[in-house]
Amino acid sequence: DIQMTQSPSTLSASVGDRVTITCRASQNINRWLAWYQQKPGKAPNRLIHEVSILDSGVPSRFSGSGSGTEFALTISGLQPDDFGTYYCQVYNYYSWTFGQGTKVEIK
Amino acid sequence: EVYLVESGGGLAQPGGSLRLSCTASGFNFQNEEMNWVRQAPGKGLEWVSHINIAGDGPFHADVVKGRFTISRDNAKGSLYLQMDSLRVDDTAVYYCVRERENSFDMWGQGTMVTVSP
Repeated sequence: DIQMTQSPSTLSASVGDRVTITCRASQNINRWLAWYQQKPGKAPNRLIHEVSILDSGVPSRFSGSGSGTEFALTISGLQPDDFGTYYCQVYNYYSWTFGQGTKVEIK
Repeated sequence: EVYLVESGGGLAQPGGSLRLSCTASGFNFQNEEMNWVRQAPGKGLEWVSHINIAGDGPFHADVVKGRFTISRDNAKGSLYLQMDSLRVDDTAVYYCVRERENSFDMWGQGTMVTVSP
């Protein structure tokens, strides 16, 4: 199975900051990489799929990038509503693996 | 409106069984691949099971293989998870999720399963 290493585990930033969360896969995963946001007590919400495709309704300040084994989620201009925990997720031959999560706090 | 609603969670003893159900509404369920994903209290997300459109060849995570069985009834627009030989570490919120682009684009609100003596 593919292992995902997500960093940092926590992140504290100010409104307007540019923040980046990274995920490293243990092997090449082509384009099957997604990002989710989860608010406390709520189900996760998919933000990005296939590395860089924004889901409908997701603000354009969110972007995804990367290839091979290194991927990143960037929030350009952090907003108060962006608090929560973010997860990356990879697919490889009928196995889906999530990163450990990054908790984003607003200073 | 498009949504997924889980039910069937609750308290079970170690070694016991529970059956989760998920009802889909607002989309063509029979054309969608479906999964279960769980989240232990205070922990991250963990994929549990996958089923294709026809219900053939379901896949399960190694930690539940041989104990959990995913199934579906397309006529009823429903997804199921039969959980047998439950263990304390199966305690989690279980989410019914729709799969598109090899990721999960729609989630239910979740149902809590607690396994405790």
